[in-house]
Amino acid sequence: GIQVEQSPPDLILQEGANSTLRCNFSDSVNNLQWFHQNPWGQLINLFYIPSGTKQNGRLSATTVATERYSLLYISSSQTTDSGVYFCAVTVTGKLIFGQGTTLQVKP
Amino acid sequence: DAGVTQSPTHLIKTRGQQVTLRCSPKSGHDTVSWYQQALGQGPQFIFQYYEEEERQRGNFPDRFSGHQFPNYSSELNVNALLLGDSALYLCASSFRGEEKLFFGSGTQLSVL
Repeated sequence: GIQVEQSPPDLILQEGANSTLRCNFSDSVNNLQWFHQNPWGQLINLFYIPSGTKQNGRLSATTVATERYSLLYISSSQTTDSGVYFCAVTVTGKLIFGQGTTLQVKP
Repeated sequence: DAGVTQSPTHLIKTRGQQVTLRCSPKSGHDTVSWYQQALGQGPQFIFQYYEEEERQRGNFPDRFSGHQFPNYSSELNVNALLLGDSALYLCASSFRGEEKLFFGSGTQLSVL
């Protein structure tokens, strides 16, 4: 089956720093989503981005489907950005998640 | 507009027992999916319900079963609990199987 790999597994930043999270997938996909899991466990959908670039405030994402990767950019990070970031691809109607990147933003 | 709600939030059971978890989908949604998230891992797909039928199933044993009611709410049942069933169980809803899912906050199940 399709493999989804995320890097880095862990990231520690000072407040105000920028970061890039990467998601590689092993096969062609029709779509890719980025999620943020907050400390209470809820997964919040950040981007639905099968290809191209999208921006939402300090966050942006780029998917290059032909090269099978996606990037999530976080600029001017805040402590509230802490948590686990997952990318996920849809295969026959179900989401296949990566292992996640755990981000800690220190004040 | 209520989002996806799950109950209970936390649950402690012992090996061999049975458990039922509940999920109410976001208003207007008719499809419910269940995911299991072990500590430090990404969520794993268990199954999906639409029109009160199981439409898809992941690689989980028959001890995991579910149900969807006419009001689109859903239950996840796990029989003969094992220590390895300890995890966060997430429910997600969508409309007509659309790919954008909305997740609840999950039920944290601990099996002792």
